[in-house]
Amino acid sequence: DGGITQSPKYLFRKEGQNVTLSCEQNLNHDAMYWYRQDPGQGLRLIYYSQIVNDFQKGDIAEGYSVSREKKESFPLTVTSAQKNPTAFYLCASSIGARVATNEKLFFGSGTQLSVL
Amino acid sequence: AQKVTQAQTEISVVEKEDVTLDCVYETRDTTYYLFWYKQPPSGELVFLIRRNSFDEQNEISGRYSWNFQKSTSSFNFTITASQVVDSAVYFCALSEAGDDKIIFGKGTRLHILP
Repeated sequence: DGGITQSPKYLFRKEGQNVTLSCEQNLNHDAMYWYRQDPGQGLRLIYYSQIVNDFQKGDIAEGYSVSREKKESFPLTVTSAQKNPTAFYLCASSIGARVATNEKLFFGSGTQLSVL
Repeated sequence: AQKVTQAQTEISVVEKEDVTLDCVYETRDTTYYLFWYKQPPSGELVFLIRRNSFDEQNEISGRYSWNFQKSTSSFNFTITASQVVDSAVYFCALSEAGDDKIIFGKGTRLHILP
C-alpha cells in the first residue's frame, strides 16, 4: 500500500541530545513537509522540500534541521538548540513539484517526542 | 495576512445528532483554497474536502456537507446523524494562490457520545 511511514511512534530526548525523526513515502510525491502540533494548537510548518537536495524553512525552523537526499525520504533532526521540543510531529507530502497550494496533503501517523 | 479561526475548541453531542463545525478565515487574496482535514485518534490527518474561492456551491458527501459563504468568510462543516466513528479533531485550513504555505486553524475536538 502506498503511503507515508513515520518512525518511531514515540521518541524520548535527553537534555543536549539531537534526535532524528524518520519520514519515508512511496507515493512518488515531489513535495514533503514537516509540521509540529502542540495540544490545542493548529499545525505549524517547520520545513518543506519541493525537490531533492532542496528545502525551505517554514514558520518555526529554529532548532530543527532537515535533509532531502532521496525523493522518498525527508528526515527531521531536532537539535539541542530546540528548547521546547515536546510535541507531536507530522510528516506530509503532496504530488506537485512546486508547493501548489491547491494540493491536498497526505500525512503520516506522527511521532510523539518527549523530553526526559 | 491569512488566518483561520475555529472558535469551537471542543464539542460533545449524542450519537445521531447533527453537528456543525465552524470555520472563519481571513485573506486578502481573491484566489484561495479552503480545506477540511480529520485527525482521528490514530494521529494522521485525513483530507476531507478542498474548495477554491470561485466555487461557492455547497457540497454534500454522504453524511458530510460543507457550506462556503464568501460574504461571511466562512466554510462550515456539518455532520448529519453523527456516529461514534466521527469522533476526532477536525482542522480547517487555508492557502492563498502563489503562496507556499497552508495555514491551519487550531482544530475542533468532536466527541460523539454513544
